[in-house]
Amino acid sequence: NAGVTQTPKFQVLKTGQSMTLQCAQDMNHEYMSWYRQDPGMGLRLIHYSVGAGITDQGEVPNGYNVSRSTTEDFPLRLLSAAPSQTSVYFCASMVGTIVGNIQYFGAGTRLSVL
Amino acid sequence: GENVEQHPSTLSVQEGDSAVIKCTYSDSASNYFPWYKQELGKRPQLIIDIRSNVGEKKDQRIAVTLNKTAKHFSLHITETQPEDSAVYFCAAIPLGYQKVTFGTGTKLQVIP
Repeated sequence: NAGVTQTPKFQVLKTGQSMTLQCAQDMNHEYMSWYRQDPGMGLRLIHYSVGAGITDQGEVPNGYNVSRSTTEDFPLRLLSAAPSQTSVYFCASMVGTIVGNIQYFGAGTRLSVL
Repeated sequence: GENVEQHPSTLSVQEGDSAVIKCTYSDSASNYFPWYKQELGKRPQLIIDIRSNVGEKKDQRIAVTLNKTAKHFSLHITETQPEDSAVYFCAAIPLGYQKVTFGTGTKLQVIP
């Protein structure tokens, strides 16, 4: 199993450009989510999905779109990049266990918007 | 919605001493509380977790305690080592596939 795979690892955009951050998991997890991490702010939920065809907003959804056409893939789209979206983005999948719902994180995408 | 507060934001300890990080949560529906360790430039990694029907869980040098009545839980690291230096995050998760709420993180520095 590769786990959760994110691409690209690094990206530099100009203000106003659009792009898609890719996320794929091979563990057949129904739940997937996107977070952004800024210094001193912890991990903030952008969007999440509880299964193919179902998505919902998290804490900071503005400026981002998601779709979930398959169980494996959960891409995050930046519609018109802004400097405020400079951040590290983590994708995660989650599975229910006897203890609780355990999350697995991708390696992250470091995005700079100039 | 859920709100998780984490303290302290930074913590420096001498090697061999203990470190304690505390989190409080607001939603009584939360029933699963994981702790993640994030080394510089890396992804968060689960290090220990606890369910709401358990008061304490221990795994070698790390332990987590939960006070469901007071809605707070804590991470305890004993005999700290330099490799424990990292940012630690707590989280609260309710039943079912719902939103995960993280604390803002604690940067732990273990001084050799």
